[in-house]
Amino acid sequence: GEDVEQSLFLSVREGDSSVINCTYTDSSSTYLYWYKQEPGAGLQLLTYIFSNMDMKQDQRLTVLLNKKDKHLSLRIADTQTGDSAIYFCAERTSGGYSTLTFGKGTMLLVSP
Amino acid sequence: GAVVSQHPSRVICKSGTSVKIECRSLDFQATTMFWYRQFPKQSLMLMATSNEGSKATYEQGVEKDKFLINHASLTLSTLTVTSAHPEDSSFYICSARRGGPHEQYFGPGTRLTVT
Repeated sequence: GEDVEQSLFLSVREGDSSVINCTYTDSSSTYLYWYKQEPGAGLQLLTYIFSNMDMKQDQRLTVLLNKKDKHLSLRIADTQTGDSAIYFCAERTSGGYSTLTFGKGTMLLVSP
Repeated sequence: GAVVSQHPSRVICKSGTSVKIECRSLDFQATTMFWYRQFPKQSLMLMATSNEGSKATYEQGVEKDKFLINHASLTLSTLTVTSAHPEDSSFYICSARRGGPHEQYFGPGTRLTVT
């Protein structure tokens, strides 16, 4: 079955790096995603990585994928207070048009 | 950009009544629309997938007679919660896919409270 797990909470100071971790169980995952949800808002796609890649960098965001361990991480460099939000990991399995399976989300709190 | 709107953003209704939530893709035509339900501190749970002009496909455990989905056009899908009960209180989020698998955009959600 499909299962995506994340830690529920992370607190960092402004300017530090944040690392949010995610594990998944379905080895047929094709794409893995990170979404950001601000209070009262919908989900915003931050970045995604194809399952045959190890790393993807996009400005302050770095995604690392360890396919052997089924572990995904999102690193946010120079974290700002505006980065405070809930971050969801999601996987898409078995083909490009299959549905997304989400983790429960990690609440990131950035203090000044 | 690709914007998805939902209306209303918040709604309170009495137990036993029905409530309709609209989801619109504002600047693109959506090949597929999705409805999710989110409980506090929980992940998004997919309720149903719908394509324009055809019947929605419901996930296991979701009552199709209770959660009516109409996808009348390429820019509008509606979710009607019929005979609502307090346990239907939740955050409902719609999503619209424009083309490729990465082009799935989410609405801001609707907070439903059933009293």
